[in-house]
Amino acid sequence: GDSVTQTEGLVTLTEGLPVMLNCTYQTIYSNPFLFWYVHYLNESPRLLLKSSTDNKRTEHQGFHATLHKSSSSFHLQKSSAQLSDSALYYCALSDALFNTGNYKYVFGAGTRLKVIA
Amino acid sequence: EAAVTQSPRNKVTVTGGNVTLSCRQTNSHNYMYWYRQDTGHGLRLIHYSYGAGNLQIGDVPDGYKATRTTQEDFFLLLELASPSQTSLYFCASSGTEGSDYTFGSGTRLLVI
Repeated sequence: GDSVTQTEGLVTLTEGLPVMLNCTYQTIYSNPFLFWYVHYLNESPRLLLKSSTDNKRTEHQGFHATLHKSSSSFHLQKSSAQLSDSALYYCALSDALFNTGNYKYVFGAGTRLKVIA
Repeated sequence: EAAVTQSPRNKVTVTGGNVTLSCRQTNSHNYMYWYRQDTGHGLRLIHYSYGAGNLQIGDVPDGYKATRTTQEDFFLLLELASPSQTSLYFCASSGTEGSDYTFGSGTRLLVI
């Protein structure tokens, strides 16, 4: 079945350093949708980025990611980490079967980013 | 404002107890989902639905039942709660394929 693999566990960065959280996926679909969700403590997870277009950079709130179908990757990047970026980040893949009603995401295990001063 | 509302926010029950978690969405979305979030496992899908009366089995369904009574309301039922079901539960809704999830604020369940 489909799967998503993320950078494992906890990533600790000093403020101002670049952020890179890895996400690779496996799917039988040629046109998957990939997503990054961010989950701040005591809040609901919310969408950060999404893409279904190969080799196109997608940006939001200082973060960016590019879907590369050739390498099945959708890494999340930011040029300079801020303390407020500390959160749990999920990469997700849409697992859709057309016209069957069977639409759901496959989530990675999540990467916790901790930014320190 | 479109939203997903979960209740209760926190719940404590004893082993073998009966628990119902509620979720209501005002997004006019067809799809609704129940996930559990555990450290090291991320978000794992329990059950989901694409409309009133429909139910699809997720990846970790054992010990859980669900019911979608209306387009707005999706319930998760634990009929014989066990300590292994202690977790943070999220409900979410979405529209069509490729669209975003809207998550609720979560229900923290403790089974003692």
